[in-house]
Amino acid sequence: DADVTQTPRNRITKTGKRIMLECSQTKGHDRMYWYRQDPGLGLRLIYYSFDVKDINKGEISDGYSVSRQAQAKFSLSLESAIPNQTALYFCATSGISGRSNTGELFFGEGSRLTVL
Amino acid sequence: GESVGLHLPTLSVQEGDNSIINCAYSNSASDYFIWYKQESGKGPQFIIDIRSNMDKRQGQRVTVLLNKTVKHLSLQIAATQPGDSAVYFCAESKGGGYQKVTFGTGTKLQVIP
Repeated sequence: DADVTQTPRNRITKTGKRIMLECSQTKGHDRMYWYRQDPGLGLRLIYYSFDVKDINKGEISDGYSVSRQAQAKFSLSLESAIPNQTALYFCATSGISGRSNTGELFFGEGSRLTVL
Repeated sequence: GESVGLHLPTLSVQEGDNSIINCAYSNSASDYFIWYKQESGKGPQFIIDIRSNMDKRQGQRVTVLLNKTVKHLSLQIAATQPGDSAVYFCAESKGGGYQKVTFGTGTKLQVIP
């Protein structure tokens, strides 16, 4: 079983619809992240959370919101989806001890979202 | 502003040869530089990292070199195999209790059998 699980893996929706992408992890990590990947632009950070009570905006948070329901769960919402939010979304985690400050992230398999 | 960029978008290498993937960075304050590998349909996977006070680090078949003078990072893969075909991202990290990882745009490595 994957350590970082994202659902759904693929979703097609229409402009204006509300969409939620969910992420759960079994690694016991305290830090969770949502990234967006677009061709030619690499991965860009949307939101990150260091624990259940801590939520922070990344570099491209406009149009997105998040919820950290538990240490193991971090969801990303698009309140009113628009076509330029069509992208591949990745959830990632990192731990607080050992390699936490090196930049080692553990990624899920990705959620491909298409907004028509 | 800070940025992490790659010199070449696509690199084709004969199986068995060595591969060198290059990356330029602009932020001298980063604590770590990291390489990730992303296979088709999967999330990025950590390969190796190097602390900013080092200039070389070796792993299994991979070596990362850091040249702080010219702000250049490279990943060397020895005896490239078909399974090495993927997109490789360089990234930089600021630690000290706060971890922000900034990714480059990626280089696609194609291994020719």
